[in-house]
Amino acid sequence: KAGVTQTPRYLIKTRGQQVTLSCSPISGHRSVSWYQQTPGQGLQFLFEYFSETQRNKGNFPGRFSGRQFSNSRSEMNVSTLELGDSALYLCASNPQGSLHGYTFGSGTRLTVV
Amino acid sequence: SQQGEEDPQALSIQEGENATMNCSYKTSINNLQWYRQNSGRGLVHLILIRSNEREKHSGRLRVTLDTSKKSSSLLITASRAADTASYFCATDNPETSGSRLTFGEGTQLTVNP
Repeated sequence: KAGVTQTPRYLIKTRGQQVTLSCSPISGHRSVSWYQQTPGQGLQFLFEYFSETQRNKGNFPGRFSGRQFSNSRSEMNVSTLELGDSALYLCASNPQGSLHGYTFGSGTRLTVV
Repeated sequence: SQQGEEDPQALSIQEGENATMNCSYKTSINNLQWYRQNSGRGLVHLILIRSNEREKHSGRLRVTLDTSKKSSSLLITASRAADTASYFCATDNPETSGSRLTFGEGTQLTVNP
């Protein structure tokens, strides 16, 4: 079966712009989580969506938002980009709950200049 | 901030040797998972050990969990050059609703041919 698909793979944006990243989970998986990975802070949890509802949110400013559609596909949006938002953004899908391992996508590498 | 701490931060060994990585965490857990990440790519789930388990095997991988010490170790036996990657432990806190992983800082493993 197809894995987790994240688009785009690479993105370059200018400070102040906004960006939308997309994630298509494994078919049948209802939980989609987003993580930010930077050299300085490591892997940090952004938020989790389950059945179109945000079930969990990490400690990120309100500029970071997300949503999930009825087909479980998820998007995350970052507004008013800052240089520090440059990171690898990873999406993970999970059948339901955390009793199973997560399947991660290849990530979107965002560079803010 | 990262809950987990992993040591060593970097490990360099020769092909055929065993590699041991350690992880410590701070909160109670439902389970602890180990992931591998090849340079700049997504995370690959390796193994999950539940809080009521003490040891688990999967192929060349052996994971131990000591909940009294809040620590885990990952042993890779008979390492191969293809095992070169970063390895992360991740925990799931039962006091957090939904799915949310807290990652360690990772161990960079280099296996020299």
